Amino acid sequence: DVKVTQSSRYLVKRTGEKVFLECVQDMDHENMFWYRQDPGLGLRLIYFSYDVKMKEKGDIPEGYSVSREKKERFSLILESASTNQTSMYLCASSLVVYGTDEKLFFGSGTQLSVL
Amino acid sequence: AQKVTQAQTEISVVEKEDVTLDCVYETRDTTYYLFWYKQPPSGELVFLIRRNSFDEQNEISGRYSWNFQKSTSSFNFTITASQVVDSAVYFCALRKTSYDKVIFGPGTSLSVIP
Repeated sequence: DVKVTQSSRYLVKRTGEKVFLECVQDMDHENMFWYRQDPGLGLRLIYFSYDVKMKEKGDIPEGYSVSREKKERFSLILESASTNQTSMYLCASSLVVYGTDEKLFFGSGTQLSVL
Repeated sequence: AQKVTQAQTEISVVEKEDVTLDCVYETRDTTYYLFWYKQPPSGELVFLIRRNSFDEQNEISGRYSWNFQKSTSSFNFTITASQVVDSAVYFCALRKTSYDKVIFGPGTSLSVIP
């Protein structure tokens, strides 16, 4: 069974802390994504990666960075957490097969609260 | 620019009623893909369907059906004889190519009341 695992379901941090959100997939997928989900705004893409050590900015990258040292792991980093980064963070992965469109597999999400 | 609109923020229906979730998209591309995902209370989004822009055939899967109309840029989702387990947030999404990002709509929260 395919699996995208996010390290924490709930996380509480203080303003100014450095925060790491970890995501691991066991499907050998090339693509990995970080979204944040806020009420009324749907899912907004923060960063994505199409290969190891490769990253691309999404729609709202400000205040975030990412790391992909291994194919199966994609980390989201909040360099200095702020209260407006309180949100649900969703990791996803997908397999690219030329000529065949892929679907996203999602983790269960991390609800981050920054106090 | 690409955009997905789901005008219905919240819908409540009584069990066994039919319900349609609306999705309107904007894109200038001739080739694109449309998706529906379901997010139950547990939080994990689950893929429901993918449709490419060249295939306007409607699709039915059990109680679920999808109506894709390029003329109105809509990709609506109908649940027939709704059940309590259908209660979830449903997202419509759009993507240009296999190497492009997926754009999600704001979601529609469906509550099915027993």
